[in-house]
Amino acid sequence: KAGVTQTPRYLIKTRGQQVTLSCSPISGHRSVSWYQQTPGQGLQFLFEYFSETQRNKGNFPGRFSGRQFSNSRSEMNVSTLELGDSALYLCASSLASGMNTGELFFGEGSRLTVL
Amino acid sequence: QQPVQSPQAVILREGEDAVINCSSSKALYSVHWYRQKHGEAPVFLMILLKGGEQKGHEKISASFNEKKQQSSLYLTASQLSYSGTYFCGTGRFGGNQFYFGTGTSLTVIP
Repeated sequence: KAGVTQTPRYLIKTRGQQVTLSCSPISGHRSVSWYQQTPGQGLQFLFEYFSETQRNKGNFPGRFSGRQFSNSRSEMNVSTLELGDSALYLCASSLASGMNTGELFFGEGSRLTVL
Repeated sequence: QQPVQSPQAVILREGEDAVINCSSSKALYSVHWYRQKHGEAPVFLMILLKGGEQKGHEKISASFNEKKQQSSLYLTASQLSYSGTYFCGTGRFGGNQFYFGTGTSLTVIP
């Protein structure tokens, strides 16, 4: 079956702009979680959506937002981009919500560069 | 609340063993282990639930000490394909927190 698909794979933006990233989970998976990956910081949790509802949110400013559609596809948006937002953004899907319920399937990520 | 992994980096020769540790300051219900190769998505290795069980897959196994809030990943007789960055992820009671460690870079050389 098809894996987790993230688009776009690479993008370059300038400070102050906004960006929208998309994540299509594995068919049948209802949970999508988002992570920011930077060197030395590992995977930082942004938020998780399950059945179109945000279930949990990490410690990121309100400039980072997300949503999930009825087909489980998810988008995340970052407004007023800062240089420090440059990172690889990963999404992961799973059948159920939460870390205690099973494995996460990751996409290859969207690499954002902010100039 | 981010779990702490050690060591941060390790270099092995083929056939050598390695242990990667993951510690949390909070009570844990589950521990995940993932491996990420450069430029690729993290790939699931195993999940351990509370109860101190040990799991294994071929030459990679892991333990979970619930009381110490620690997990260890054991790689025996390492192969070149084991190279990558290993992440632990932790789940707490009540379910919905997602916390990953900062990763351990493992390099296996011939």
